[in-house]
Amino acid sequence: EVQLVESGGAVVQPGGALRLSCAASGFTFDEYAMHWVRQAPGKGLEWVSLITWDGDSTFYADYVKGRFTISRDNRKNSLYLQMHSLRADDTALYYCAKERDRSILKWGQGTLVTVSS
Amino acid sequence: DVVVTQSPLSLPVTLGQPASISCRSSQSLLHGDGNTYLNWYQQRPGQSPRLLIYKVSNRESGVPDRFSGSGSGTEFTLKISRVEAEDVGIYYCMQGTQWPPGMYTFGQGTKLEIK
Repeated sequence: EVQLVESGGAVVQPGGALRLSCAASGFTFDEYAMHWVRQAPGKGLEWVSLITWDGDSTFYADYVKGRFTISRDNRKNSLYLQMHSLRADDTALYYCAKERDRSILKWGQGTLVTVSS
Repeated sequence: DVVVTQSPLSLPVTLGQPASISCRSSQSLLHGDGNTYLNWYQQRPGQSPRLLIYKVSNRESGVPDRFSGSGSGTEFTLKISRVEAEDVGIYYCMQGTQWPPGMYTFGQGTKLEIK
């Protein structure tokens, strides 16, 4: 069974940094591109970032470009999101998700990031 | 950037009746490879999203056949033939055609509730 388990969410002050992790299991991790998608409280889904299967290419939404960095460690079946210069509007549940043929096939349960002073 | 717009945003439906959600994109979602990468997701209350339909009309494994997708170009529809109580939630369309630069975009979501 495919499982994606996010961790690392926390309350952080504006301007602060945080690193999210996602542990993947139940599939051949290094064969799939992976995403981060977020959902602010009571709001819709917002795509954040994508990394190719080999980590060679990364893509970001404009609203996080230059502040967030996606990475992966295929030896550890893990996905990461390093976030800097956090703002109040980055407050959201962050989902790790598995790509399939330009769809997002499987989502984790999410980890909550709250940016507040 | 591709903008994806759903309607209605709220959809009250009587149990056993059909439901329909529209999704329109600001640009054609027909990719040069001949595929149209328009997907539909269901998010039940308190749960993560779940893929229902991919590439316009393909039902994901395990999705009941009362769900169907159709459309082309810039206009797409998700239909539920007979709404059941477990269908309550928010439905999102998402385009994956404009990739690279890798920016997938979601519609605003349509909240389906039982009348």
